Amino acid sequence: DAGVIQSPRHEVTEMGQEVTLRCKPISGHNSLFWYRQTMMRGLELLIYFNNNVPIDDSGMPEDRFSAKMPNASFSTLKIQPSEPRDSAVYFCASSRDRGTNEKLFFGSGTQLSVL
Amino acid sequence: KNEVEQSPQNLTAQEGEFITINCSYSVGISALHWLQQHPGGGIVSLFMLSSGKKKHGRLIATINIQEKHSSLHITASHPRDSAVYICAAPFETSGSRLTFGEGTQLTVNP
Repeated sequence: DAGVIQSPRHEVTEMGQEVTLRCKPISGHNSLFWYRQTMMRGLELLIYFNNNVPIDDSGMPEDRFSAKMPNASFSTLKIQPSEPRDSAVYFCASSRDRGTNEKLFFGSGTQLSVL
Repeated sequence: KNEVEQSPQNLTAQEGEFITINCSYSVGISALHWLQQHPGGGIVSLFMLSSGKKKHGRLIATINIQEKHSSLHITASHPRDSAVYICAAPFETSGSRLTFGEGTQLTVNP
């Protein structure tokens, strides 16, 4: 398996623009997580899906952020409009199930810079 | 309050040394994760353990649920082990939300 695939690897955009990050989880994994990593706050869970359904989105910072999982093999995280404080590395991860005892598999991350 | 604390924050070692990174947490958990983040930024899950000890190559992870403490050991350290090591716990009150430690930056010099 190719692992969790994220795109793009790097994104540079201007404030106010829409940004869409993409993730393909490992085939057969039922849970998908979006994390954000910054120097100040470390790793933070934004949202997680189980069987394509959003289970916990309490980490989504504000209405400018939205996430979808239209099917088991694809998820998007959208920021509209983007702001400089959104600059961070965004990781997608998947696991076999939603249980807390499941190992996580991370994508390579998307480095987002909002100018 | 759900907290995960790691020590040390930074660790420099010479190649071949035995390394220990510690992780303490504040309340009950069902399992604990150890992650490795390389200088390039990628994150790899090293261990997920709920009791006792796990070993993978030169890496050993232990956990004591009663004492709320876990350790990650690296035997015969090598410069390629240089990375940030992060422990994370899914607190029972927060479902699948992991609480992450701040990470330990390990540098192994040749």
